[in-house]
Amino acid sequence: AQSVSQHNHHVILSEAASLELGCNYSYGGTVNLFWYVQYPGQHLQLLLKYFSGDPLVKGIKGFEAEFIKSKFSFNLRKPSVQWSDTAEYFCAVVPDTGNQFYFGTGTSLTVIP
Amino acid sequence: DTEVTQTPKHLVMGMTNKKSLKCEQHMGHRAMYWYKQKAKKPPELMFVYSYEKLSINESVPSRFSPECPNSSLLNLHLHALQPEDSALYLCASSQQETGGGYEQYFGPGTRLTVT
Repeated sequence: AQSVSQHNHHVILSEAASLELGCNYSYGGTVNLFWYVQYPGQHLQLLLKYFSGDPLVKGIKGFEAEFIKSKFSFNLRKPSVQWSDTAEYFCAVVPDTGNQFYFGTGTSLTVIP
Repeated sequence: DTEVTQTPKHLVMGMTNKKSLKCEQHMGHRAMYWYKQKAKKPPELMFVYSYEKLSINESVPSRFSPECPNSSLLNLHLHALQPEDSALYLCASSQQETGGGYEQYFGPGTRLTVT
């Protein structure tokens, strides 16, 4: 079975700090990669996705992620976080030949005003 | 319309009750999913329907029974649940089931409490 790991379980930052959340996966083939966010009391929303092409993808709300194939990583970044970014962040991997989302364990981000 | 709707938003049921959760999408998606999510945990896949046929059942107990009446609707029938089944139940849809980078669109979920 595939596995997706998110090393940071809980991150606390002050507003305007930079953010990087790690995501690593175990699968040797072609993958499609996603970051989802779940704001308190809200549903899962797609932040960004990578299918192919430029490994640096930009998403909504100033987020970006970089796919590094050699490291099996898809880390999420934001240069300057806001209080409203407080949420749960989930990385998800879908093997290109497969049909199932494999979610990471999630990272809880708290941004202090 | 990129919305997946779910009803009810909240449900409290006893262990002997029978209830149903409903999910609807009008995006023309041909794959629909049920997930179970506990607090601060990732969604756990329960069932996948592809072109209205059940394609994945992740060894879910028979007290959960999915149904896909048509391509826009997905139901989850509940019977004789246990307190540990209390969770947020999420419905999602995607253009197709197979890979190729089809993102899943999630509904807001039904918060289920089993007493």
